Amino acid sequence: GENVEQHPSTLSVQEGDSAVIKCTYSDSASNYFPWYKQELGKGPQLIIDIRSNVGEKKDQRIAVTLNKTAKHFSLHITETQPEDSAVYFCAASMEGTGGFKTIFGAGTRLFVKA
Amino acid sequence: NAGVTQTPKFQVLKTGQSMTLQCAQDMNHEYMSWYRQDPGMGLRLIHYSVGAGITDQGEVPNGYNVSRSTTEDFPLRLLSAAPSQTSVYFCASRARRTGGSNGYTFGSGTRLTVV
Repeated sequence: GENVEQHPSTLSVQEGDSAVIKCTYSDSASNYFPWYKQELGKGPQLIIDIRSNVGEKKDQRIAVTLNKTAKHFSLHITETQPEDSAVYFCAASMEGTGGFKTIFGAGTRLFVKA
Repeated sequence: NAGVTQTPKFQVLKTGQSMTLQCAQDMNHEYMSWYRQDPGMGLRLIHYSVGAGITDQGEVPNGYNVSRSTTEDFPLRLLSAAPSQTSVYFCASRARRTGGSNGYTFGSGTRLTVV
């Protein structure tokens, strides 16, 4: 089955710097890659996603890139702010006739120091 | 529009007890899933459902049962609680479509402790 690895497990950056979180997936049939942000005591919230027919997607300070050949995808946060501090999860799923089961990475705890 | 509602928020069980974690969504989503979250292990899929009357096992299904009699509700049953089931449990739902942005909507979680 699908396996998703996420690195690093912890990331500490200075306010204003960029943060990059990387994930790899095992099932080449996966075609949908969402990213979630989880704040303390809450459920994860979708922040951005990308489909396999797109190489990059950007939403203000957040961008995601996908390399299908290498089975890598990454989250980039620019101009980080203290409110970006949270746990971030990547995920992969195969959508369509194969179903929609979504497998998550282990998470990255991001600290943004003011 | 409440989204995904989970009850209870907190629960303490004794080893061997059974209980049901409730999950309800009001967005008419076809897909629903249960995940457990443990430190350093991310979110692991327990069971999922693609629609009323259809359920399937995820990565860690042992010790749990689910049913989906309606589109709205997807309860998770612990048959005989064990300390290894101490975790935070999340229910999530999403619409059945393959285009556009279609991530999960998560509930706020149930923190379960088994002693």
